[in-house]
Amino acid sequence: KAGVTQTPRYLIKTRGQQVTLSCSPISGHRSVSWYQQTPGQGLQFLFEYFSETQRNKGNFPGRFSGRQFSNSRSEMNVSTLELGDSALYLCASRDGTGDGDTIYFGEGSWLTVV
Amino acid sequence: AQSVTQLDSQVPVFEEAPVELRCNYSSSVSVYLFWYVQYPNQGLQLLLKYLSGSTLVKGINGFEAEFNKSQTSFHLRKPSVHISDTAEYFCAVSVLNQGGKLIFGQGTELSVKP
Repeated sequence: KAGVTQTPRYLIKTRGQQVTLSCSPISGHRSVSWYQQTPGQGLQFLFEYFSETQRNKGNFPGRFSGRQFSNSRSEMNVSTLELGDSALYLCASRDGTGDGDTIYFGEGSWLTVV
Repeated sequence: AQSVTQLDSQVPVFEEAPVELRCNYSSSVSVYLFWYVQYPNQGLQLLLKYLSGSTLVKGINGFEAEFNKSQTSFHLRKPSVHISDTAEYFCAVSVLNQGGKLIFGQGTELSVKP
């Protein structure tokens, strides 16, 4: 089975622009979550989607949004980019909704805001 | 609220020596515990997880961890490390009824020297 696939892997954006990141979960997985990783704040949960519905949301401003499609693929969008949004954005998937489910991570999308 | 503290930010060790990476958590409710590894420029890979039962959990690559409820700890150990174990290690808890949301520690950078 293919793992969690994220595109693009690397991108550079200018402050004030917006960006969309894409994620394809492991085949059969219906839950997709997103995390932000920075040297200062570490790994922080952004949100999770299951069956196209947002189930949970982290403590991020409204500039960060996401969605999930009927095929479980997900996108996250960041509008009005700030320098502090430079980070590795990790997508993860799991096949159920149980608390102890194994969560599988993709390799991430490296976003640099200049 | 839940929190995770990894007590060492960096752990240097010589090849074939034993290693312990320390993790303490704080939670007023039951949690599930995880250890992930991140190799340079890659996503996170699950090493092991504790859900219930035996407090000694064995994972991949020869790693094991022991859950200690009274000390709220979940330390990761390996009896003999290899150069290839050089990576960053993250301890995480899964929040009850918020299964897709992992709360991570700040990470421990394990550096194995020849």
